[in-house]
Amino acid sequence: GAVVSQHPSRVICKSGTSVKIECRSLDFQATTMFWYRQFPKQSLMLMATSNEGSKATYEQGVEKDKFLINHASLTLSTLTVTSAHPEDSSFYICSARGVGATDTQYFGPGTRLTVL
Amino acid sequence: QKEVEQNSGPLSVPEGAIASLNCTYSDRGSQSFFWYRQYSGKSPELIMSIYSNGDKEDGRFTAQLNKASQYVSLLIRDSQPSDSATYLCAVNMGKSGGSNYKLTFGKGTLLTVNP
Repeated sequence: GAVVSQHPSRVICKSGTSVKIECRSLDFQATTMFWYRQFPKQSLMLMATSNEGSKATYEQGVEKDKFLINHASLTLSTLTVTSAHPEDSSFYICSARGVGATDTQYFGPGTRLTVL
Repeated sequence: QKEVEQNSGPLSVPEGAIASLNCTYSDRGSQSFFWYRQYSGKSPELIMSIYSNGDKEDGRFTAQLNKASQYVSLLIRDSQPSDSATYLCAVNMGKSGGSNYKLTFGKGTLLTVNP
């Protein structure tokens, strides 16, 4: 149980384009989903927290207009990196917390974004 | 600033030995504690959660929590080369009973188990 998927697993795009990443909880309903970014040899950095049906809460320093998050259902959240630039190249990972569950987060496999 | 501190390592142990990973946290009111394992290039996977003082065992893994000392540890018995990974300590520093489910992660300890 507690399986989270992400799509795509890897994406390469040109500078200036937008990229959408999907995060799905496959066998449970996720009240809350989290989006992280991880640069090489660094720890996870929380970007935003999203609750189903409401606006995401962004961490300090994360541009909400650049990283658009939608959590339209209890099993799907999307992160759109708008007008991506090379400095946005990173490993993006989502996690999900189940309905009524504790604060345990289950992670998706991650999406490696490379912006040329 | 709420922090979770881990020794970055690398921690090297021989196969079959006990690996001991340590973590301290700054918020005395923290209630929930987690250990995740992250292989290179992969996302974290949950190993254990612990909420009460004392030990919690799951197979070869034992988590230990001491809230008075603000200290949580992970012991890996009979270490295997496949245990070689970065181990992340995560703490929920949200208000007790509140709706903040964010986790604060340490930077991780790189464990290498030598055959």
